[in-house]
Amino acid sequence: KAGVTQTPRYLIKTRGQQVTLSCSPISGHRSVSWYQQTPGQGLQFLFEYFSETQRNKGNFPGRFSGRQFSNSRSEMNVSTLELGDSALYLCASSRTSGDPGDTQYFGPGTRLTVL
Amino acid sequence: AQSVTQPDIHITVSEGASLELRCNYSYGATPYLFWYVQSPGQGLQLLLKYFSGDTLVQGIKGFEAEFKRSQSSFNLRKPSVHWSDAAEYFCAVGLSLTGGGNKLTFGTGTQLKVEL
Repeated sequence: KAGVTQTPRYLIKTRGQQVTLSCSPISGHRSVSWYQQTPGQGLQFLFEYFSETQRNKGNFPGRFSGRQFSNSRSEMNVSTLELGDSALYLCASSRTSGDPGDTQYFGPGTRLTVL
Repeated sequence: AQSVTQPDIHITVSEGASLELRCNYSYGATPYLFWYVQSPGQGLQLLLKYFSGDTLVQGIKGFEAEFKRSQSSFNLRKPSVHWSDAAEYFCAVGLSLTGGGNKLTFGTGTQLKVEL
């Protein structure tokens, strides 16, 4: 079974631009979560999508948004990029939502660099 | 608030030596606990998880972890470390969220270096 895939793997953008990252979950998984990883803040929860609905959002500004499609694929968007948005963005998929014991499987991440 | 603490930022062990990575959690109920490993430039790979039953859980790559409620700990162990185990290790707790959904809260990670 194919794992979680994320595209692109690397991105370089300049301040003020916007960016869209894509995540394809494991087949049969309906929940997709996004995390931001930085050296200073570590791994932080961005949001979770399930059945095309955002279930929860972490403590991030409104510039961070996402969506989920009917095939469970998800995209996240960051508008008006800031230098501090440089990070590894990780997507994770799980079978369901609301079960904290349901394993989240992670993709390889998208490395975003903002210049 | 729920939190996860990994007291050791860096650990260096010799190949073949035993390993123990510490993890402490703060959570009111019985937690759902996970250990993930991250190799450079990669995503997170699940090593093992615990949420009930036997307090000693076995994972992949020869790792095991022991849940100790009295100490609020979930330490990761391996009897004999291989050079390929060099990576960053994250302890996490799974949380249900108000209004539905769930998320993982991670510790700050422990970077493992293996000396040959």
